Order: sequence, then C-alpha cells, then structure tokens
Amino acid sequence: DIVMTQGALPNPVPSGESASITCQSSKSLLHSNGKTYLNWYLQRPGQSPQLLIYWMSTRASGVSDRFSGSGSGTDFTLKISSVEAEDVGVYYCQQFLEYPLTFGSGTKLEIK
Amino acid sequence: EVQLVESGGGLVQPGSPLKLSCAASGFTFSSNWLNWIRQAPGKGLEWVASINPDGSSTYYPDTVKGRFVVSKDNAKNTGYLQMNNLRSEDTAMYYCARRAARWDWGQGVMVTVSS
Repeated sequence: DIVMTQGALPNPVPSGESASITCQSSKSLLHSNGKTYLNWYLQRPGQSPQLLIYWMSTRASGVSDRFSGSGSGTDFTLKISSVEAEDVGVYYCQQFLEYPLTFGSGTKLEIK
Repeated sequence: EVQLVESGGGLVQPGSPLKLSCAASGFTFSSNWLNWIRQAPGKGLEWVASINPDGSSTYYPDTVKGRFVVSKDNAKNTGYLQMNNLRSEDTAMYYCARRAARWDWGQGVMVTVSS
C-alpha cells in the first residue's frame, strides 16, 4: 500500500501569513502519462472534504488563487498564501494512482 | 452543477446489513467512476470501495472486502453500497465521490453500528 505522510503546521498561523503543508508518498505518484495522481482537500469543521488541487498542481474551479500545489513524484506541498479565517480546517492529501486509495492523516490549520 | 446526495444511513445493530444510496446529477453518471469513502468520528478519511463506469469492476480494501458490495445503476443515476455483517468499527460518516478529471463529493450520511 502507498503510505501518505503529512507534516504538521506551527499552529496557530497569524492571519495574513503564508502556510505550507507537506505530504510525502512511499511510492512515486507520477504516472507514465505524465500526470501525478495526487489531490489536496480542505475539510472545514462539520463539512465534507472540498477539493482544492488535483493532478498535484491544478486548482479546482472556484478555489482561491491563494492555494497552490507543487511537488515531485513523492514529495508534495500545498501552499496557502496570506491565510484567512475561512482557511481553518483539516487538510488532506490523497493518492489515487493505485488501489488501495490512501489518504494522509490530515494537517490542522488554526489561525491567530 | 454536480450533485451527489447520500441516503440510507442510520443506527443498526452489530451483524446487521444496511444499504446506502448515492443519487447523482449534473454530469454523465455512466461515464464516471464512483467511490465510497468513510470517516469515523474524529478520525481521518478511509477509502472503502470503488466501481468503474459500467459497473464491471469493483475494488475494496481488506477491511471491508467480503462484507461490502458497491454497485451502480446507470439508468437511475444512482450508486449503492451494500454493507453486510456490520461491526462497531464501521461506525462513520460515509461519502460517495465521483472521479472525473477532478473529484466531487457528497455531503455524507452517518452510519452508527451499536447495540
């Protein structure tokens, strides 16, 4: 199974500062078709997960351009520039390259 | 607008069956993979089932294999998750999600397994 390991944030993050969340996979998520099979989600309190980034770096429609995704085949970063109160929640990375599909354990963002 | 609406959750006793439904709209249901993901109270996300667009292939993790069955009725734009021999550790919010170029999720339905 592909293990997804997420890093923690130095909470709380001051409003207006940037925040970077890391995710590492135990196997490369780069497919031979050139796409990287990684998603990023935000789960706000009491809500279902909302897709932020797919294919590692493609922002989902309607998502603020303060969110960006980057990485290589096994190391990934979700960057939030200028965090706001609405960004509070738990962030998850997910690999969908192969079964079983797996998620990171989540990274909580708190705002000061 | 893509919409996925889960239903069928509730409180059941250990060993009981339960069938969840996922009503889809706003996209071509027959062309998309359908997935089920769950989240136990206060815990992270766990994938539990996937089915390909025409329903001919299904996938499960070992934790539910042999107990859960995923299916889809493309004529009704509805997906299903039949859960048998439920255990207390199956207590969770269950989400259906479609996989296209991007993933879209429903709001979830709660399943509680308790005597």
